[in-house]
Amino acid sequence: GAGVSQSPSNKVTEKGKDVELRCDPISGHTALYWYRQSLGQGLEFLIYFQGNSAPDKSGLPSDRFSAERTGGSVSTLTIQRTQQEDSAVYLCASSQAAGNQPQHFGDGTRLSIL
Amino acid sequence: AQRVTQPEKLLSVFKGAPVELKCNYSYSGSPELFWYVQYSRQRLQLLLRHISRESIKGFTADLNKGETSFHLKKPFAQEEDSAMYYCALSGTAAGNKLTFGGGTRVLVKP
Repeated sequence: GAGVSQSPSNKVTEKGKDVELRCDPISGHTALYWYRQSLGQGLEFLIYFQGNSAPDKSGLPSDRFSAERTGGSVSTLTIQRTQQEDSAVYLCASSQAAGNQPQHFGDGTRLSIL
Repeated sequence: AQRVTQPEKLLSVFKGAPVELKCNYSYSGSPELFWYVQYSRQRLQLLLRHISRESIKGFTADLNKGETSFHLKKPFAQEEDSAMYYCALSGTAAGNKLTFGGGTRVLVKP
């Protein structure tokens, strides 16, 4: 595709449910990043993938959050037992390599926990 | 630890007036600095990066290591410059994750 694609664009779910967010990076981009944009915290880094491995998971806020990447392409971010403070826009970005190449962002998934 | 500060949450200027968005950072090594912009109903996109030393849409930004600043400037603001602007820093650690400032909303009035 022409850019980073994320789905769903919006997700409303009840507290305690699990959610899965998907990111399709730009073809050929080996580095993939997840960020979270929330009212109180601004834009925060969550996790970084190089290929299928995640050398930096330092931004994941709790063990309820996990992510995987398969085939060096699509990534899913999973939040288990969602809490209201998980409500945010989850952004995915990809870059050609991890050597300070510009990161290209998707439109994000707006997650609302009722 | 790396940190980016954008002291102004909102900047309101008239069309044709100069605009300067402040960005200060803290990082112990040699950082890469970026400005990202988000126009209404559009995705976050790269505006410029200090390593390129180029002017995009009339905007320039100079990295001042002595003052640890990377302010964004445009001499004559246009209405289409109204947007949210984020300063971001990438360090030398593996992965080069971005640390963002809190953002500055720019409103250019006619």
